[in-house]
Amino acid sequence: KAGVTQTPRYLIKTRGQQVTLSCSPISGHRSVSWYQQTPGQGLQFLFEYFSETQRNKGNFPGRFSGRQFSNSRSEMNVSTLELGDSALYLCASSLAHSGAGADTQYFGPGTRLTVL
Amino acid sequence: AQTVTQSQPEMSVQEAETVTLSCTYDTSESDYYLFWYKQPPSRQMILVIRQEAYKQQNATENRFSVNFQKAAKSFSLKISDSQLGDAAMYFCAYRSRIRNTPLVFGKGTRLSVIA
Repeated sequence: KAGVTQTPRYLIKTRGQQVTLSCSPISGHRSVSWYQQTPGQGLQFLFEYFSETQRNKGNFPGRFSGRQFSNSRSEMNVSTLELGDSALYLCASSLAHSGAGADTQYFGPGTRLTVL
Repeated sequence: AQTVTQSQPEMSVQEAETVTLSCTYDTSESDYYLFWYKQPPSRQMILVIRQEAYKQQNATENRFSVNFQKAAKSFSLKISDSQLGDAAMYFCAYRSRIRNTPLVFGKGTRLSVIA
């Protein structure tokens, strides 16, 4: 099976712009989670989607949003970019049946976002 | 809220030797999963090993094994016969088995392998 894919791998934007990142989960996986990784804050949870519904959300401002499509692919959007949004954005997928608890998450290679 | 602590920011090991990375966690739950992920310079987060809290037997995956001490809330990773390719950041992570909660990560341990 192909792994989790993320596009693009690298992005350079300027402050005030918006950006959309894409994630395609492993075939058959229905849950997609997004994490932000920075040297200072480490790995922080953004949100999780399951069957096109946001199931969980981290402590990030409303500028960060996401969605999931019927084929389980997910996108996250960041509007009005700030310098502090520069980070590696990781997507992870899992089987995660509805209502179930933990399931192993498999990560994509990440998208490196640089905000100038 | 659950927390995961990795007290060793950096470690090094000679090639072919054994190294143990430490992880402790804090939770009031009894049913959960613990994971070790490896992140090499490529930044791809790779699952190394997973432990289910209700299983007393320590998980093993080839050269990787864990020492899971539930009462002490400790979950260390042992890497045997270290190889140059083992050099990476290692993250310990926790996830509740009961509730839909995200992975909670430690700050990571950077492992260097010396030839």
